[in-house]
Amino acid sequence: KAGVTQTPRYLIKTRGQQVTLSCSPISGHRSVSWYQQTPGQGLQFLFEYFSETQRNKGNFPGRFSGRQFSNSRSEMNVSTLELGDSALYLCASSLEFGTGELFFGEGSRLTVL
Amino acid sequence: QKEVEQNSGPLSVPEGAIASLNCTYSDRGSQSFFWYRQYSGKSPELIMFIYSNGDKEDGRFTAQLNKASQYVSLLIRDSQPSDSATYLCAASYGQNFVFGPGTRLSVLP
Repeated sequence: KAGVTQTPRYLIKTRGQQVTLSCSPISGHRSVSWYQQTPGQGLQFLFEYFSETQRNKGNFPGRFSGRQFSNSRSEMNVSTLELGDSALYLCASSLEFGTGELFFGEGSRLTVL
Repeated sequence: QKEVEQNSGPLSVPEGAIASLNCTYSDRGSQSFFWYRQYSGKSPELIMFIYSNGDKEDGRFTAQLNKASQYVSLLIRDSQPSDSATYLCAASYGQNFVFGPGTRLSVLP
């Protein structure tokens, strides 16, 4: 059974640009969560999608957005990038919404210059 | 602000010893608790979860929950160098989920 797939794995952007990250969950998993991980802040919850609807949102500015498609694949977008957005962005899938039994992808490492 | 706290470590234990990782949480409404392991440069993976007061054992791992003290722990028996990683504690609050900062464990051969 394939795991959670995130693309791209690494990317470098400059301030002011925007970026889109993609996540394909484990087959049969209907919920996708996104997390930002930095050395100083640890794992910070961004949002969770279930059945194409955002069900939960963390404390991040509106520059961070996401969506989920009918096949459960999800994308997150960060607009007007700032240096502080440099981080590892992790996607996690789960069978149902609101469960802590998460299966993480390898992450997308974003560097903002 | 719902918080999950962990000692950042590093916690160093000799090979074969018991490693004890601790976690406290701020909200008594928290319902379930999870331990994730994250190797350097890798993503977190779920080790165990616990919902009820008491102990839950899975192989060399034992999770302990004390809701009265708002305290969760993870014991790793017969620690191996391959157990060296960061261990993240997480708590769920209804449909929300909060991770602690993690404790770095180093098992010395």
